[in-house]
Amino acid sequence: KQEVTQIPAALSVPEGENLVLNCSFTDSAIYNLQWFRQDPGKGLTSLLLIQSSQREQTSGRLNASLDKSSGRSTLYIAASQPGDSATYLCAVGMDSSYKLIFGSGTRLLVRP
Amino acid sequence: NAGVTQTPKFQVLKTGQSMTLQCAQDMNHNSMYWYRQDPGMGLRLIYYSASEGTTDKGEVPNGYNVSRLNKREFSLRLESAAPSQTSVYFCASSPPWLAENSPLHFGNGTRLTVT
Repeated sequence: KQEVTQIPAALSVPEGENLVLNCSFTDSAIYNLQWFRQDPGKGLTSLLLIQSSQREQTSGRLNASLDKSSGRSTLYIAASQPGDSATYLCAVGMDSSYKLIFGSGTRLLVRP
Repeated sequence: NAGVTQTPKFQVLKTGQSMTLQCAQDMNHNSMYWYRQDPGMGLRLIYYSASEGTTDKGEVPNGYNVSRLNKREFSLRLESAAPSQTSVYFCASSPPWLAENSPLHFGNGTRLTVT
């Protein structure tokens, strides 16, 4: 059974710092991996989607990498801002549907 | 453009009561999903509907029923609520196939407390 883990559960950094969020999964036969952002009291917003054949995806200050063989993905946030404060979740898809398996998230606080 | 709309936003039930969570999307998506989110855990899939007229169980379907009323609407029903069903419930929708430019769209959630 696929399990997705995100460590740490919470992270606090000063504004301007570059940071890395980690996601690991137990079954490397994934179809894709997605990173989401969740603001308090809100639903999830899709940030980046990496297909199993890809190594990384970039959007603005965000860069997500995927290493299937080691069962790991990282989300790199450059020059963090207070507006980046949110919970970040990774999710693994085992097929082309949206039946995703989620990690429990990393709660990020960027201090001014 | 409302996206995915869930009602109600908050609900308190007593054990044994029933209720239906409503979800509607205006993006002409084929697929719709119900997830639940518990503290310290990721989202878990309850039921999904790949297209109008079809529904399938997800990871945690026990205690729930769903109805895909039409292409826009997908409801989740608790027939006899239990305290273990206290959670935040998210509805989501998507095109039929996951692709880079067609992300999963979530509603803002329904916060349910069962006492």
